Amino acid sequence: EAQVTQNPRYLITVTGKKLTVTCSQNMNHEYMSWYRQDPGLGLRQIYYSMNVEVTDKGDVPEGYKVSRKEKRNFPLILESPSPNQTSLYFCASSQQGGGNQPQHFGDGTRLSIL
Amino acid sequence: AQSVTQLDSHVSVSEGTPVLLRCNYSSSYSPSLFWYVQHPNKGLQLLLKYTSAATLVKGINGFEAEFKKSETSFHLTKPSAHMSDAAEYFCVVSGGNTGKLIFGQGTTLQVKP
Repeated sequence: EAQVTQNPRYLITVTGKKLTVTCSQNMNHEYMSWYRQDPGLGLRQIYYSMNVEVTDKGDVPEGYKVSRKEKRNFPLILESPSPNQTSLYFCASSQQGGGNQPQHFGDGTRLSIL
Repeated sequence: AQSVTQLDSHVSVSEGTPVLLRCNYSSSYSPSLFWYVQHPNKGLQLLLKYTSAATLVKGINGFEAEFKKSETSFHLTKPSAHMSDAAEYFCVVSGGNTGKLIFGQGTTLQVKP
């Protein structure tokens, strides 16, 4: 089954404790992206990757890091999480990064930073 | 720059009645537009997409949307609501060659029995 898999689905942690949210897709997609969803704001892009070893900032990259060492994986790293990063996070992928490509989304990761 | 505005944050309909979710967009070039649906505790699922072909786009589960360039609108409709349609709906415009999707604020659809 074609899917985007995120782990963990839920995480409660404390300020400053480094964490990684993993994202994996099995569709051989070139393009991957991370979004955060906050009430009343819709989804906003954090980082994206057009292909292996190619990443770039989205609209809200502060406090986050990403890497793309393999085509299928695109982990999101919070080096020193803070309470304002409490949010619902989605990983997405598409065949390519063109404007007419719909994206496939994971089921989300709900992070709570205390 | 691209942007999208969903005109209603909450819409309530009775089961079996029509659904209308309104979306206006702004784009400096011919846009790609999408509607996604999000059920509780789930990711986003693509309902339909417009990419400069037919202006009336049919999607899954009986939904359709009409692209109106003169009105810069892309409203989502369904003739008859089902209880399973209760969810949050997002109108989305493509942000160009970076692949970024620009989301509206979302519309919560409530379906009453």
